[in-house]
Amino acid sequence: EAQVTQNPRYLITVTGKKLTVTCSQNMNHEYMSWYRQDPGLGLRQIYYSMNVEVTDKGDVPEGYKVSRKEKRNFPLILESPSPNQTSLYFCASSLERTYNEQFFGPGTRLTVL
Amino acid sequence: AQSVTQLDSQVPVFEEAPVELRCNYSSSVSVYLFWYVQYPNQGLQLLLKYLSGSTLVKGINGFEAEFNKSQTSFHLRKPSVHISDTAEYFCAVSIIQGAQKLVFGQGTRLTINP
Repeated sequence: EAQVTQNPRYLITVTGKKLTVTCSQNMNHEYMSWYRQDPGLGLRQIYYSMNVEVTDKGDVPEGYKVSRKEKRNFPLILESPSPNQTSLYFCASSLERTYNEQFFGPGTRLTVL
Repeated sequence: AQSVTQLDSQVPVFEEAPVELRCNYSSSVSVYLFWYVQYPNQGLQLLLKYLSGSTLVKGINGFEAEFNKSQTSFHLRKPSVHISDTAEYFCAVSIIQGAQKLVFGQGTRLTINP
């Protein structure tokens, strides 16, 4: 089954404790992206990657890191999480062209205390 | 830069009634337009998209949307809603030339009452 998977689905952590949210897709998509969803703000892009070893900042990149060492994986790293990073995070992937549908993972709900 | 405004944060309707969810966008370049739906505790899935051609686009689950270039709008409609349509709906745009990127609106929560 074609899908985007994220782990963990739920995470409660404390300020300053490094964490990684994994994202994997099995559709051989070139493009992958991370979004955060906050009430009243919709989804905002954190980082995106056009292909292996090619990443770039989205609209809200502060406090986040990403890497793209393999085509299928695109982990999101929070080196020192803070409470304002409490949010619902989505990974998405698509074929390269801008008219293509983005496929979304199920989401990771992160709480930083 | 592009922006998307969804004019209603919440829309309550009765079952079998028609519904329209409004979306306006702003962009200095040509865009593609999308509607995504998010059911409770799930990720987003594509309802429909406008790329070119006919301005009336039909999607899944009986939804349709009309692109109006002069009003920079892309409103979503359904003639008769069901309880199962309860979800959050997001309008999004992506520019035709350049890097793949979706810019989302704030979302509209559609609640269907029996």
